[in-house]
Amino acid sequence: QKEVEQDPGPLSVPEGAIVSLNCTYSNSAFQYFMWYRQYSRKGPELLMYTYSSGNKEDGRFTAQVDKSSKYISLFIRDSQPSDSATYLCAMNDYKLSFGAGTTVTVRA
Amino acid sequence: NAGVTQTPKFQVLKTGQSMTLQCAQDMNHNSMYWYRQDPGMGLRLIYYSASEGTTDKGEVPNGYNVSRLNKREFSLRLESAAPSQTSVYFCASSERAGGSYEQYFGPGTRLTVT
Repeated sequence: QKEVEQDPGPLSVPEGAIVSLNCTYSNSAFQYFMWYRQYSRKGPELLMYTYSSGNKEDGRFTAQVDKSSKYISLFIRDSQPSDSATYLCAMNDYKLSFGAGTTVTVRA
Repeated sequence: NAGVTQTPKFQVLKTGQSMTLQCAQDMNHNSMYWYRQDPGMGLRLIYYSASEGTTDKGEVPNGYNVSRLNKREFSLRLESAAPSQTSVYFCASSERAGGSYEQYFGPGTRLTVT
């Protein structure tokens, strides 16, 4: 079993919709939870970063962590075509463990 | 600042050939990493270097070697390429080792082994 599970999608939504992305994990030692965004044929870049359970907002993006359920989520409000990318969850112990990534397409 | 640069961008090898992937960062980061990305598998750590002069195995090190040439440069070598090494390779760097530090990624090298 992988340490981090993420549904690879793909996910296609109309512009303005809410995008919901999720990951589950098995390692209770994970402390930091991140979402990276990867545009086609580019390297990943850090989008959001959380440490504790709860919600964190950054503009149209909200990250949620539920450590008791070992479940993290990313919500994108008012999605735009420029949000079309692959979103990878990542979490750490001494190194980062990545999910497989979910490919999102926002249709204009 | 260029950030993290990788060369080459694309490479096709025949089985058994060798090659070295080059990576350099200009952010004065201590730690550097090599990942491979395969469909459905996400990013998997091959090797990392927590600081200049040290290297450690990651999740999938077999078939690879690395050299931390100096603080800026970290190379990945395939001694005898196999079709299973067809992948996209990313180099990354961070201020320090440990998953709590943001990693900055290069643009990737697309390698095909026939």
